[in-house]
Amino acid sequence: GAVVSQHPSWVICKSGTSVKIECRSLDFQATTMFWYRQFPKQSLMLMATSNEGSKATYEQGVEKDKFLINHASLTLSTLTVTSAHPEDSSFYICSARPGKGFSGTHQETQYFGPGTRLLVL
Amino acid sequence: AQKITQTQPGMFVQEKEAVTLDCTYDTSDQSYGLFWYKQPSSGEMIFLIYQGSYDEQNATEGRYSLNFQKARKSANLVISASQLGDSAMYFCAMSQGYNFNKFYFGSGTKLNVKP
Repeated sequence: GAVVSQHPSWVICKSGTSVKIECRSLDFQATTMFWYRQFPKQSLMLMATSNEGSKATYEQGVEKDKFLINHASLTLSTLTVTSAHPEDSSFYICSARPGKGFSGTHQETQYFGPGTRLLVL
Repeated sequence: AQKITQTQPGMFVQEKEAVTLDCTYDTSDQSYGLFWYKQPSSGEMIFLIYQGSYDEQNATEGRYSLNFQKARKSANLVISASQLGDSAMYFCAMSQGYNFNKFYFGSGTKLNVKP
């Protein structure tokens, strides 16, 4: 249990285009989802926290107009990188925290998706 | 100030031997959670083990155990009987705050298991 999917796993796009990344909790409802960015050989950097049905909370220094987050349902959150530029190239990874009714043993845990590698040319 | 400190950027261990990955944390909260995640080269973050601040016993999950020393604020991960597939980055993390939604990650330790 506690499976999180992320799509696409790889994306290459031209500078100036927008890219949408989907994060889904497959077997549990996630009241809170998180988006992270990771540079090579570094730790995860939290970008934003999103709660279903409300606006995302962005970390300091993260442009909310650049990185649009929508948490449309209890199982889906999307990150849209608008007008992507080469400096946006990175590994983006989402996570989800189970809500009420979770049948697993670790409700306090964040469960991660497999990540999306974005390359902007 | 760093919330989570992992002082070992890289570690080597011989296959079948045990290894300890260090993690210290900094918080004034009484209630918090401690986690370890494994990140293979493919990138996904795999949850390994969880320890609550009020748990008196050390958490264990198969070959993984968490050596929780609250007074020292340390939460070391012990992997017994290392396998080649254990080679990966390992991240220690702490959750605290409202609804435990604030996660802090350490800088990670790269573990290499030698055959």
